[in-house]
Amino acid sequence: GIQVEQSPPDLILQEGANSTLRCNFSDSVNNLQWFHQNPWGQLINLFYIPSGTKQNGRLSATTVATERYSLLYISSSQTTDSGVYFCAVEKSGDRDDKIIFGKGTRLHILP
Amino acid sequence: DAGITQSPRYKITETGRQVTLMCHQTWSHSYMFWYRQDLGHGLRLIYYSAAADITDKGEVPDGYVVSRSKTENFPLTLESATRSQTSVYFCASSVSLERTQYFGPGTRLLVL
Repeated sequence: GIQVEQSPPDLILQEGANSTLRCNFSDSVNNLQWFHQNPWGQLINLFYIPSGTKQNGRLSATTVATERYSLLYISSSQTTDSGVYFCAVEKSGDRDDKIIFGKGTRLHILP
Repeated sequence: DAGITQSPRYKITETGRQVTLMCHQTWSHSYMFWYRQDLGHGLRLIYYSAAADITDKGEVPDGYVVSRSKTENFPLTLESATRSQTSVYFCASSVSLERTQYFGPGTRLLVL
């Protein structure tokens, strides 16, 4: 089945720093989403981005579907950005690979 | 309140018992999903449903049963709980597979 790899697994930054999180996937997909899980366990969708670039405030994401990767950019990090960031892909037509999550990048923003 | 809710939020049970986790959404979303989250495995899809009375297996369906008699509810049943089913379970809903998923707060299940 499709493999999803996220890097780095852990990232520690000072408040105000910028960061780039990467999601690689092993096959073509028609759906990719980025999620943030805060330290209290709540999961929130950030972007639905099967291709192209989107921005929402300090966060932006780019997916290059032909090269099978997506990037999540966080600018001017705040402590509230801490948590785990997951990407999830979906490959329609393959009954064994409905929605597959990466293992996440754990981000710590230090005050 | 509108949104997606899960109950119970915490559950302790014993091996062999039947457990049902409830998920309710008020958006009339067609799609609903059940995931489990474990250290080292991230989130894995158990089952999903495209509409009432339509369900399909995800990545890890063994040991679980789902039903969807009403659009707004998607219960997940562990027919005979095992220790390996100790996990945090998340329910989610979306308009379609290609659209944003919205997650419930999760249910922490401990099987002794």
